[in-house]
Amino acid sequence: KAGVTQTPRYLIKTRGQQVTLSCSPISGHRSVSWYQQTPGQGLQFLFEYFSETQRNKGNFPGRFSGRQFSNSRSEMNVSTLELGDSALYLCASSSDLGTIYEQYFGPGTRLTVT
Amino acid sequence: ELKVEQNPLFLSMQEGKNYTIYCNYSTTSDRLYWYRQDPGKSLESLFVLLSNGAVKQEGRLMASLDTKARLSTLHITAAVHDLSATYFCAVLNFGNEKLTFGTGTRLTIIP
Repeated sequence: KAGVTQTPRYLIKTRGQQVTLSCSPISGHRSVSWYQQTPGQGLQFLFEYFSETQRNKGNFPGRFSGRQFSNSRSEMNVSTLELGDSALYLCASSSDLGTIYEQYFGPGTRLTVT
Repeated sequence: ELKVEQNPLFLSMQEGKNYTIYCNYSTTSDRLYWYRQDPGKSLESLFVLLSNGAVKQEGRLMASLDTKARLSTLHITAAVHDLSATYFCAVLNFGNEKLTFGTGTRLTIIP
């Protein structure tokens, strides 16, 4: 079974630009979560999508948004980029079946804002 | 709000020694996860602990969960260089299925 894939793997953007990151979950998984990882703040939850609906949201400004498509693929968008948005963005998928709720992480997209 | 604390933040240990990483959390949960992260890489799932008293072992790593004390431990036995990595614990928030991560423990094994 193929794992979680994320594209692109690396990205360099300028302040004020916007960016879209993509995540393809493990086949059959309907839940996709996004996390931001920075040296200062650690791993922080951004949001979770399930069956094309945002089910949970973390404490990030509205510049961070996402969506999920009918095939469970998810995109995350960050508008008006700031230097502080430089981070590793991780996506995780889960089958949301049973009680284990184990999340499987993709390789991440490393975003650098200059 | 759920808070998860790990200690120590940094751990440098000699090969062959034993040590324990601690993970405390602030509210009730019986879903605790341990992940490993190598530099520049993603998170690799190590253990899923689902109930009070759960103990799981894989190789030189053993994880346990005490839900009453809101404490999980990751014990390393006879450390080897390959175990050098950052280890995270994460606790599941019931109701919103959100994982809250600890700060991570950067483990360095010295020959």
